[in-house]
Amino acid sequence: DAGVIQSPRHEVTEMGQEVTLRCKPISGHNSLFWYRQTMMRGLELLIYFNNNVPIDDSGMPEDRFSAKMPNASFSTLKIQPSEPRDSAVYFCASSGLAEDNEQFFGPGTRLTVL
Amino acid sequence: AQSVSQHNHHVILSEAASLELGCNYSYGGTVNLFWYVQYPGQHLQLLLKYFSGDPLVKGIKGFEAEFIKSKFSFNLRKPSVQWSDTAEYFCAVISSASKIIFGSGTRLSIRP
Repeated sequence: DAGVIQSPRHEVTEMGQEVTLRCKPISGHNSLFWYRQTMMRGLELLIYFNNNVPIDDSGMPEDRFSAKMPNASFSTLKIQPSEPRDSAVYFCASSGLAEDNEQFFGPGTRLTVL
Repeated sequence: AQSVSQHNHHVILSEAASLELGCNYSYGGTVNLFWYVQYPGQHLQLLLKYFSGDPLVKGIKGFEAEFIKSKFSFNLRKPSVQWSDTAEYFCAVISSASKIIFGSGTRLSIRP
């Protein structure tokens, strides 16, 4: 298995632009998680899905952030409009019941908003 | 509210020194416990996990952790660290509510 796939790996954009981050979980996993990592706040859980349904989005910082999971093999995290303080590394992770809730992380997307 | 505490934010050791990183959690029910490692510029990888059985868990690269239920702790240990262990280490807990909570991380720097 290729593991969790994220794209793009790096994104540089200007303030006000829309940013879309993509994630493909490991095949067969039924839970998907979006995290944000910064020096100031560490690793933060933004939202997670079970069986494509958002379960807890309490970590989403504000309405500019939205996440979707239209099917079991794809999820997006969108920021519109983006701001410089959104600059961070965004990780996607997936897990399945058979792995006792172990999460497998993708390589991350490093977002820079100028 | 559930929480995970990693008291050491930055630990600096010399090669061959022994390591112990603290992790305490606040949930009183059944938990699954994890230690993840993040090497510089990379994503998080699982070091070891505990969900039942022997409270002393062996992980990869010579790491181990001990679950002490009475102390709500899951400290990570390694008897002799190497320069390649330089990384950030995260403790994580999943409770019966199935929401994972990560600690704030401990940065480990090893002097060659």
